[in-house]
Amino acid sequence: AQSVTQLGSHVSVSEGALVLLRCNYSSSVPPYLFWYVQYPNQGLQLLLKYTTGATLVKGINGFEAEFKKSETSFHLTKPSAHMSDAAEYFCAVPGAGRRALTFGSGTRLQVQP
Amino acid sequence: DGGITQSPKYLFRKEGQNVTLSCEQNLNHDAMYWYRQDPGQGLRLIYYSQIVNDFQKGDIAEGYSVSREKKESFPLTVTSAQKNPTAFYLCASSQGQGGETQYFGPGTRLLVL
Repeated sequence: AQSVTQLGSHVSVSEGALVLLRCNYSSSVPPYLFWYVQYPNQGLQLLLKYTTGATLVKGINGFEAEFKKSETSFHLTKPSAHMSDAAEYFCAVPGAGRRALTFGSGTRLQVQP
Repeated sequence: DGGITQSPKYLFRKEGQNVTLSCEQNLNHDAMYWYRQDPGQGLRLIYYSQIVNDFQKGDIAEGYSVSREKKESFPLTVTSAQKNPTAFYLCASSQGQGGETQYFGPGTRLLVL
């Protein structure tokens, strides 16, 4: 079954610095890949979605993700971090039998002033 | 505005008590899901339903029950058999099958007295 691995449970950057959050998928190219963001005590909000054939996917709030088949990766980036980006970020992929999504364990992003 | 509502925001459970978490959506989505979120573990699937009057167990269904009598509603009951119910519970819905984009409610935090 497909799974995703997020490297780094906590990432800290300075305001204005590059944000890089890592996600690797497990095996064959999935039909979809997702990045979600969760602010404290809230539900998850879709940041962006990869569909087959795309390489660079643009999302909301200035985030984008690059799909690299050779590296089985779908890392999330933002050129310049803002204080409001502090949140937890989850990578997800359709699970076994496409019955639901399988989520990574999450990366908490801290933005230092 | 279309969306998913969950109530209550906070819920307290006494020993041996069953409690029910509400989830309602007005997105006209066919599929609905319940996830449990614990710190550092991402989201784990409890139950899902792809159509009215049908639902399936997820990865951690023991101690939980659901019903899907209406398209808009997918309540989750946490039974006394669930020995460690303290968690953040998230409801989601999607238009198509489980691999599609899921939209989340704001969550219910369940605490044990």
